[in-house]
Amino acid sequence: QKEVEQNSGPLSVPEGAIASLNCTYSDRGSQSFFWYRQYSGKSPELIMSIYSNGDKEDGRFTAQLNKASQYVSLLIRDSQPSDSATYLCAVNRGSNYKLTFGKGTLLTVNP
Amino acid sequence: DAGVTQSPTHLIKTRGQHVTLRCSPISGHKSVSWYQQVLGQGPQFIFQYYEKEERGRGNFPDRFSARQFPNYSSELNVNALLLGDSALYLCASSLFPGEGTEAFFGQGTRLTVV
Repeated sequence: QKEVEQNSGPLSVPEGAIASLNCTYSDRGSQSFFWYRQYSGKSPELIMSIYSNGDKEDGRFTAQLNKASQYVSLLIRDSQPSDSATYLCAVNRGSNYKLTFGKGTLLTVNP
Repeated sequence: DAGVTQSPTHLIKTRGQHVTLRCSPISGHKSVSWYQQVLGQGPQFIFQYYEKEERGRGNFPDRFSARQFPNYSSELNVNALLLGDSALYLCASSLFPGEGTEAFFGQGTRLTVV
């Protein structure tokens, strides 16, 4: 079982729709969860962090965490073509300083 | 404020050579981590340094080494380069290591080994 799993996609949504990106993790000791956006040929950019169960909203982005189900998701409302990128889910155990990443989900927003 | 800066941005090396990559963290950040990202994969953890001490090491061979300087900048060194070392090398800066801290990446160094 991979430590952090994401559907590789591509996930294709029309402009203005809600994009839903999902991530599961295997380490129940994970405490910190992050979503990064990575444009082709660029480095990852942090867009959301979440540490407690529930929802966290920041503009058009909402992160959702369910530690019991070992599941974290990212919703992008009113998707724009500029949101087209690979979205990386990362988790941190706390006592283990490293971030463990999934392979990423490629999102394409069609005008 | 300047973000995380890495140099060089691109590098081409021959098999067997040595390479040094450099990173300057965000001002005030004392922790630097290095990651390797190959095409189609998420970044893989190589090292973390905090207050000039190694705090974590990923599953990479001893050909990989790093250090952190008193000004919190860092170097990643790779000896005896292999074709498989071709990747995007990312430096991440954070206030401190561990739980509850956000990590910010530099633009990366694209290393090509021929």
